[in-house]
Formats: sequence, C-alpha cells, structure tokens
Amino acid sequence: DAKTTQPPSMDCAEGRAANLPCNHSTISGNEYVYWYRQIHSQGPQYIIHGLKNNETNEMASLIITEDRKSSTLILPHATLRDTAVYYCIVRVSGDDKIIFGKGTRLHILP
Amino acid sequence: GAVVSQHPSWVICKSGTSVKIECRSLDFQATTMFWYRQFPKQSLMLMATSNEGSKATYEQGVEKDKFLINHASLTLSTLTVTSAHPEDSSFYICSASDFRNYNEQFFGPGTRLTVL
Repeated sequence: DAKTTQPPSMDCAEGRAANLPCNHSTISGNEYVYWYRQIHSQGPQYIIHGLKNNETNEMASLIITEDRKSSTLILPHATLRDTAVYYCIVRVSGDDKIIFGKGTRLHILP
Repeated sequence: GAVVSQHPSWVICKSGTSVKIECRSLDFQATTMFWYRQFPKQSLMLMATSNEGSKATYEQGVEKDKFLINHASLTLSTLTVTSAHPEDSSFYICSASDFRNYNEQFFGPGTRLTVL
C-alpha cells in the first residue's frame, strides 16, 4: 500500500501558484519524498525529490515540514499544461521500486 | 538526457495471441527496469522489476508465465504478454533507473494494448 495520503482532486487558476499537499506520517528517517506527475495517456514524469530540506528546481518547489510528516509541492505559475495527476511517493532511493497511490488530479482553470 | 522509449505505442491483437512490448533507455544504460500496468482511471500498478542478466522479480499476484520479461542488455527490456485475453487490455508503462541521476527512474511513454 502507498504510504502517502493526498486529496483526490484540486483546482487552480491559471497563472496562480498550485500548492499540492501530501501526508506521510509514517515516513522513515532514510526515506525521501518524491513527486511525479502523469499527464493523460502518458508515462509519469519525475518532478522533484527531497529528504528534509526544501528543494527547488526549474519545475517546482518542495516544502517538507520539520517533522517530515507532510510536504507540499508548489508549482509557482500554473499553466494549462500542468493539468495532470500528481503522485507523492516516499522511498529509500531512486532505484527503489515505486508504489503509486491514487494521487491528486490537478485541474488548471483558464 | 534520460530518455526512455517504448515500442509499439499501441497495439491491437486477437485473443489468444502473444504480444511483445519493448522498453529502451536511449541515452543511458539501465541495470534495472520496471514494468507497470494501468487500467482506466486507476493508478499505476508495479508488475515486476527487471535486472539485466538475471530473472525478473514479480510482484504478488502477477503471473510470471503470462507476463514474460527479458532484460538481455543494459538498454533493452521486453515484456511479452502471452495468450492475451481481453482482461489484459491495459496501458503498460516501463521505467529505467539512470545511475547518472541518483538512480532515478525515468518512464517510457507507455503502450496501450487492446485485446479483442
């Protein structure tokens, strides 16, 4: 079973920041938080990952709470192309198998 | 970099036939590849882990004799759905671990299989 909990769906206005929450209260000390997204009928795409510090790349920012029991993925300026299902995953390393939960279906509204 | 391709992108076959799906890492070598299946409006389900030069490790409930996996080289893994039936119709996705990027997994575009 997936070790994360995410809201099933969210809406965000185009151009605004999209903040996607994830709860992972049972995360272990050596587990990273990963985010992927899947646009309809495509393979998943890696977005970002982190251990305990906040991370930022060209796609998004990842904010991890100090107790590491939850995190938020931030898409700073959402566009229609960001409409997708976003998956929050916890795992030990990059080549560890991924157990996908149900994710959050993000709708970007024009 | 880190591009993974799948072939074919879609396939339609008759019930009882076998179908082979290829997964290739185009610009890196992958010692580990993974195969997933996704039914409509559902999440991805891991089927098996494929290691180059050794037998695949199947997840519980996945029939190894029905879903044959071969990982003969560092850039190619194949999934063969044997004696396909309509219930095998699904979206099949592979991923490959790139050691240059913390062994992060990069996913192929998927193969849509329809069994008539």
